[in-house]
Formats: sequence, structure tokens, C-alpha cells
Amino acid sequence: NAGVMQNPRHLVRRRGQEARLRCSPVKGHSHVYWYRQLPEEGLKFMVYLQKENIIDESGMPKERFSAEFPKEGPSILRIQQVVRGDSAAYFCASHRPSSGVNTEAFFGQGTRLTVV
Amino acid sequence: GDSVTQMEGPVTLSEEAFLTINCTYTATGYPSLFWYVQYPGEGLQLLLKATKADDKGSNKGFEATYRKETTSFHLEKGSVQVSDSAVYFCALSEGPRRALTFGSGTRLQVQP
Repeated sequence: NAGVMQNPRHLVRRRGQEARLRCSPVKGHSHVYWYRQLPEEGLKFMVYLQKENIIDESGMPKERFSAEFPKEGPSILRIQQVVRGDSAAYFCASHRPSSGVNTEAFFGQGTRLTVV
Repeated sequence: GDSVTQMEGPVTLSEEAFLTINCTYTATGYPSLFWYVQYPGEGLQLLLKATKADDKGSNKGFEATYRKETTSFHLEKGSVQVSDSAVYFCALSEGPRRALTFGSGTRLQVQP
């Protein structure tokens, strides 16, 4: 990992509560992706953000989930009224602005959300 | 849409054995291909990548060759170590969005 910071590492919420997951990308990176990993599965794309813009949210559930990446501060993934099925590991990845050949994405260590 | 298929695990090997983890993909264009490794309780780390046909990515003794004709990117290592025990993910990325599409992962267990 090259400096993507996610917090908290572990989060426990009761059904109906809100979960807020934070991601600070590598310094200088303005592109952030959020992925969800269900137990024993691969990562699934959720949302792609640049500073102050949502570029692609095609992987986000239509309800209860939202994401932002403000001009200042970390990217936030918010899950309202959590349900047990939201229990998963949520990973953030960032890469620097670039065109042409795909550049490496750096991943954070993830936030493991448990809904009880 | 894009997809990645990996061989199911777990794969259990003895130390110094030869490793192959198969990966095939479906994509509309010309993707870049990646192998990521996830150690227990950790995030993903890029292991190697290849950006065009016939490229070979290599790192830490692992290799994979981008085979466009068979749409494959199989991961190999000549002699595995106990420290290689982890989950390995094959992934692709294409287009301006560049989000990664992952396979389901293959757990490797190396016994001493």
C-alpha cells in the first residue's frame, strides 16, 4: 500500500443506524474508487469519484448508499439505515490523474462493517 | 459486460511446489490485466500487471502472460513458499472509467 488511509478499520452498527466510512487517498491522487467485498467473494465496484464529482455510481445500490469526495478532506461512503446484508469489507482505492495506459490503483486496508 | 473467471480454491501446495492459478476474462475492448494479492486482514496489493497482448508481468517470482488469443492471464510461480499463502485476485480494467473488475479470488495455502 502506498498511503491510502481508511478508517475505521472495524465498525459495528445495529440495524437501522448509519455507517460512515472514510478514505484519504494517496497525496496527489484525485481519483477515488469504492469497492465492496462480501465474505469469500471478490471485490465489486461501487462508485468512482473525483474531487467534488461523482463520475460513475453504477455499482451503488439505489437506496441508502451515498458517496462524496469534497474539495477538502477525505472521501466518505455513507450507508443509512444499515441492514445485516450490508456487512462486508469496504475498500477504497486511489490513483493519480492520467490518460492513456491504466495506472496502478493503490488500495487501503479496508473497513470491515458488521451489522448486528 | 466485462467479467473475470478464476479457478476455485483453495489450492493447497507443499513448499517449493509449482503454482498455476488460471484466469480467463471477457472484455469488450483491450483491457489491462492485473493480479492482486490479499493477505489475511489486509487490503489488496498489486502483484503484477500487463497492459497489452503478449506482455509478461512479473514480480517476486510470480509471472503471468497476457494471452489475447485465449483471453487468459494465468498466474505461475516455480517454487512457492509458506509466505505466499494468501488470496489471489485476477482483475481487468478498461476504458476511461478504469474501475477494476475482479474475479472471485483463489485462496492459496502453502504447507511447510
